[in-house]
Amino acid sequence: DAMVIQNPRYQVTQFGKPVTLSCSQTLNHNVMYWYQQKSSQAPKLLFHYYDKDFNNEADTPDNFQSRRPNTSFCFLDIRSPGLGDAAMYLCATSNGREVGQPQHFGDGTRLSIL
Amino acid sequence: AQSVTQPDIHITVSEGASLELRCNYSYGATPYLFWYVQSPGQGLQLLLKYFSGDTLVQGIKGFEAEFKRSQSSFNLRKPSVHWSDAAEYFCAVGYISGGYNKLIFGAGTRLAVHP
Repeated sequence: DAMVIQNPRYQVTQFGKPVTLSCSQTLNHNVMYWYQQKSSQAPKLLFHYYDKDFNNEADTPDNFQSRRPNTSFCFLDIRSPGLGDAAMYLCATSNGREVGQPQHFGDGTRLSIL
Repeated sequence: AQSVTQPDIHITVSEGASLELRCNYSYGATPYLFWYVQSPGQGLQLLLKYFSGDTLVQGIKGFEAEFKRSQSSFNLRKPSVHWSDAAEYFCAVGYISGGYNKLIFGAGTRLAVHP
């Protein structure tokens, strides 16, 4: 089945130690999104790619960066994680940037900070 | 500005009972509306979507939703709830920002199902 896969499912890192989360997709969608979801809250969009065109949300901290080396893969890099960055990180894809295109989500990576 | 309100943070129903989850939206144009479900520790799964046409939309897992423009609502319903429906439900509005397709989510409703 075509899908969005996030690795790892659980990630533990130390305060200030860089960490990278991975997302891959077999849907061949040209848009990929990264969301941060804290406990009992709605997902919050961090940034997204339309092909290789990167779009950052205005309130996304500089500590968060992303790379998309090809259509299938997208990475979320947290340069110096703080305790407030502990959350579930969700990757999603959509087929095109027209309004109304549904987004397809992976199962997420739960990040813990020690 | 667009926004989504889910007035109920928690709802508990008995297995077999009917369910209605409320969603109100604010959007200046024709809304593109979605309901997603999130089981514990999982990502979001699309239940159904509304763009235009018939205001009663059928989705997966026996869910349906009704769009009411006059009330700015898009409530999710299921006639008979199963224990496996216990999860968090998010209503969302699709919109264009900077030429790109985005979603804004409500805060979610957590559904508990009693046996």
